[in-house]
Amino acid sequence: QKEVEQDPGPLSVPEGAIVSLNCTYSNSAFQYFMWYRQYSRKGPELLMYTYSSGNKEDGRFTAQVDKSSKYISLFIRDSQPSDSATYLCAMWGRTNAGKSTFGDGTTLTVKP
Amino acid sequence: GAVVSQHPSRVICKSGTSVKIECRSLDFQATTMFWYRQFPKQSLMLMATSNEGSKATYEQGVEKDKFLINHASLTLSTLTVTSAHPEDSSFYICSAMGAVGTDTQYFGPGTRLTVL
Repeated sequence: QKEVEQDPGPLSVPEGAIVSLNCTYSNSAFQYFMWYRQYSRKGPELLMYTYSSGNKEDGRFTAQVDKSSKYISLFIRDSQPSDSATYLCAMWGRTNAGKSTFGDGTTLTVKP
Repeated sequence: GAVVSQHPSRVICKSGTSVKIECRSLDFQATTMFWYRQFPKQSLMLMATSNEGSKATYEQGVEKDKFLINHASLTLSTLTVTSAHPEDSSFYICSAMGAVGTDTQYFGPGTRLTVL
């Protein structure tokens, strides 16, 4: 079983929809949680970075971490065609010296 | 946010030649840099972790003599693919991290290597 599980999709939504992307994990030592966005043939771009449980909002993006359930989410409000990309969750803890464990990524398409 | 650059962005080479890829942190000092490989429509595969001034730590199954990593300074790491073969063709991405325990990874734009 992988340490981080992420539904690969693909996920297709109409423009303006609310998108929910999720990851589950098994390692309780994870403390830092990230969401990256990767466009085709580009390097991943950091979207959100949260520490421990709670919510963090940045514009149309909201990241949620529930450590008790070992579950993290990224919500995208008012989705745009430019949000079409692959979204990767990642996480790490002090026990693995910053080496992140990544989900396999969810491919999102927002249709105009 | 922190900026990481990679050079070159694309490279095409003949089989048997060596290719060097540079990864630079432009506005912060990277104590740790990571090198990844990514095949089409697949996730990132960590190849190695490099810390400034010390030998890189390679993941299981990655040939250290094939993929030479040098982290010569706090802003520069290089990956050299030696005696490249067509099966080495891939998208290589580096990431950089500042002080461990206080920061996260910032990725470079990637280098697409094609070996003919």
